[in-house]
Amino acid sequence: GNSVTQMEGPVTLSEEAFLTINCTYTATGYPSLFWYVQYPGEGLQLLLKATKADDKGSNKGFEATYRKETTSFHLEKGSVQVSDSAVYFCALRQPGYSSASKIIFGSGTRLSIRP
Amino acid sequence: GAGVSQSPSNKVTEKGKDVELRCDPISGHTALYWYRQSLGQGLEFLIYFQGNSAPDKSGLPSDRFSAERTGGSVSTLTIQRTQQEDSAVYLCASSLFRGDKETQYFGPGTRLLVL
Repeated sequence: GNSVTQMEGPVTLSEEAFLTINCTYTATGYPSLFWYVQYPGEGLQLLLKATKADDKGSNKGFEATYRKETTSFHLEKGSVQVSDSAVYFCALRQPGYSSASKIIFGSGTRLSIRP
Repeated sequence: GAGVSQSPSNKVTEKGKDVELRCDPISGHTALYWYRQSLGQGLEFLIYFQGNSAPDKSGLPSDRFSAERTGGSVSTLTIQRTQQEDSAVYLCASSLFRGDKETQYFGPGTRLLVL
């Protein structure tokens, strides 16, 4: 079945450090891939997405590239800020041309940034 | 415009009681999803509704869980005879299905505590 595996947290970094949160997936065909973020006390928000191989999603300085050959969608940011402290979820959705389909989420990675 | 809203934001109940959780999706969104986020865990899919189609109930953990969507808009998730392991944050999401361009928008969640 479909699944998403992401690196366990918590991840603690100093401000301006480089961030990588690994995510790999198992799925048939060509799923869409997502990163969601949940800031403290807030709801889940879509951070970025990619719908086909080699696509790069980007938002707020974060990037992730859809790698079909390694079935990965690692999240990166060149210089993190304290305000990036949150829980990050990698997710996939099978293409559903005739109906909507559920999203499969990873277990989440808690990121804490020290000033 | 208004996002997805959920009520109540917090619910404390005694083991064995029934609870109802409400979700108001974004106006015009045809798809509605329920997820559960247990402490320290990722998001677990429960059920989704798409237009007038039969709902996908494949994620409901037991027959104590049920959901309905009235008039293609508001949805209610009902948990009967609650157990302590039902304690979690219940998230609702809605989307306007556009194939691979579908984006789910999440509500703030209802935090359920079963004593």
